[in-house]
Amino acid sequence: GAVVSQHPSRVICKSGTSVKIECRSLDFQATTMFWYRQFPKKSLMLMATSNEGSKATYEQGVEKDKFLINHASLTLSTLTVTSAHPEDSSFYICSAGRENYGYTFGSGTRLTVV
Amino acid sequence: EDQVTQSPEALRLQEGESSSLNCSYTVSGLRGLFWYRQDPGKGPEFLFTLYSAGEEKEKERLKATLTKKESFLHITAPKPEDSATYLCAVQARNYGQNFVFGPGTRLSVLP
Repeated sequence: GAVVSQHPSRVICKSGTSVKIECRSLDFQATTMFWYRQFPKKSLMLMATSNEGSKATYEQGVEKDKFLINHASLTLSTLTVTSAHPEDSSFYICSAGRENYGYTFGSGTRLTVV
Repeated sequence: EDQVTQSPEALRLQEGESSSLNCSYTVSGLRGLFWYRQDPGKGPEFLFTLYSAGEEKEKERLKATLTKKESFLHITAPKPEDSATYLCAVQARNYGQNFVFGPGTRLSVLP
């Protein structure tokens, strides 16, 4: 089956620094990748949709300059949290796939900003 | 307004006690309804996709059904390892390939 690898699984960073999260489709080509944020005991909130080779589409209220998304190839998308602050601490999840093929979620990244 | 709701918010069952989880949706142009299982600190794991009213799918102790307004996830004789949060999500024509997730049901199965 389709496998999506998300790395790192956990990261702790200092306030003001940037953190990069990678999402890779290991055995298929993903034309679309979604990035979600999840708060404790809450559901997934879509942050942005990333299509290979084009700019990401951000959901209302999500700062595109703070959450930089790059989808440079059909197997890799990255989310960079720039100038992180404690309120950015959360669980970030990616999903990769393509239409009529289905989408698979990564295992998530727990970001803690101290 | 398009939305997806789930009930109950939390459910505690004794091992072997069957029950159902509900997912209600109000979207225009449903393309698919998806059920996922999520364990703490993990990404969602795909369970089922349903595309049209009347469709049913089964996997081990789980059975998903779909009507024009809601979907049920039936759990027969659950075991403690079925404890997780169950999420439903819909794809609709207005949202392209995006998913709209419900808030989830936290299921606890006690031995």
